[in-house]
Amino acid sequence: GAVVSQHPSWVICKSGTSVKIECRSLDFQATTMFWYRQFPKQSLMLMATSNEGSKATYEQGVEKDKFLINHASLTLSTLTVTSAHPEDSSFYICSAGTPSGYNEQFFGPGTRLTVL
Amino acid sequence: RKEVEQDPGPFNVPEGATVAFNCTYSNSASQSFFWYRQDCRKEPKLLMSVYSSGNEDGRFTAQLNRASQYISLLIRDSKLSDSATYLCVVNDNNDMRFGAGTRLTVKP
Repeated sequence: GAVVSQHPSWVICKSGTSVKIECRSLDFQATTMFWYRQFPKQSLMLMATSNEGSKATYEQGVEKDKFLINHASLTLSTLTVTSAHPEDSSFYICSAGTPSGYNEQFFGPGTRLTVL
Repeated sequence: RKEVEQDPGPFNVPEGATVAFNCTYSNSASQSFFWYRQDCRKEPKLLMSVYSSGNEDGRFTAQLNRASQYISLLIRDSKLSDSATYLCVVNDNNDMRFGAGTRLTVKP
């Protein structure tokens, strides 16, 4: 399958700081990438759809000013958690689809964010 | 009604057992269907896509029933390494919708 990387794999930060997470498609180009959040023992929750060259589409209840998404190239999308608070501590995962016809999504290894 | 529903389990089975998971989806226009596997504190990994005619990959068989809007996954001869959470995923016009996952534990 296609390879998607994320960086960093884990981060610990103080409350009030901003954290940037990168998602890269390594061996294919992705016009669309997706950002998810997963709390312990819960399902993946889609946060937003990242579109190359245009604004991201956010799911209901996700604050676009708090979770800034930039998809500046066909292989890179970034998620910035601004003014992070302890309740933002979670597992953040991105995914991207290959150009194949069946719309499989391949996930990055995730970023574990802990806000103190 | 949830868009994608799964029995959360847990399913606790002995090695060598056959186990089946079902998943129902609400949008009859859904286009693509998948089973993903997620290990604890890891990202989901694609296990198999589910095609209309059904498909098999080794010990794993996936079925799709569009009329009843459900997908199934059958695991034969369970291995200890099959222990994981299995996620049913439905793609609606490039919107991936996840089930909550079914937890499987295979015991010696």
